[in-house]
Amino acid sequence: DTGVSQDPRHKITKRGQNVTFRCDPISEHNRLYWYRQTLGQGPEFLTYFQNEAQLEKSRLLSDRFSAERPKGSFSTLEIQRTEQGDSAMYLCASSLDRVHYEQYFGPGTRLTVT
Amino acid sequence: AQSVSQHNHHVILSEAASLELGCNYSYGGTVNLFWYVQYPGQHLQLLLKYFSGDPLVKGIKGFEAEFIKSKFSFNLRKPSVQWSDTAEYFCAVNRGSARQLTFGSGTQLTVLP
Repeated sequence: DTGVSQDPRHKITKRGQNVTFRCDPISEHNRLYWYRQTLGQGPEFLTYFQNEAQLEKSRLLSDRFSAERPKGSFSTLEIQRTEQGDSAMYLCASSLDRVHYEQYFGPGTRLTVT
Repeated sequence: AQSVSQHNHHVILSEAASLELGCNYSYGGTVNLFWYVQYPGQHLQLLLKYFSGDPLVKGIKGFEAEFIKSKFSFNLRKPSVQWSDTAEYFCAVNRGSARQLTFGSGTQLTVLP
């Protein structure tokens, strides 16, 4: 399977703990996106990379959140001092750098903060 | 701020019925439009997309959508639904210069056999 992969698929953590998620994009895709989806809502944009450069961040991405894509391949999203409001599905997507592009989504990481 | 509205939160149809799901967006400039589908237990998949040209676009599995610029709409249609179309459908928009997608809140479609 050469699609977008995410790890772990599920994460349960206690409030105040730090968590880190990983996303592996489709190999030739140089754009990588993180979204968050809560129950009953569509995905909401968090941040976006082109190669290793983080080019845009949403207001949703508080200072407890940090994302990296150190070598322009996989990416990590870390949440420090988790809060119950962080419980959501965290989605990763990737795309080619073309004028007419489409984003391919991974299966997501479901985070539950207790 | 750019927003996307899907007014139907849950639609229930019988097999062979026709489907139309509404999508309206608020941005007035150049937009790219998408419909994604999420089948139970699966990840988001692209159903169809519109960038330019013919406003009637055809996607996979017999779905089509029509871009009506004057109405800021991009409604999804299928003439005859199947039980296997049961899924959640998301409309998404991005501006010509932006990279991120703005999604609607989704429409859950249930097709009864």
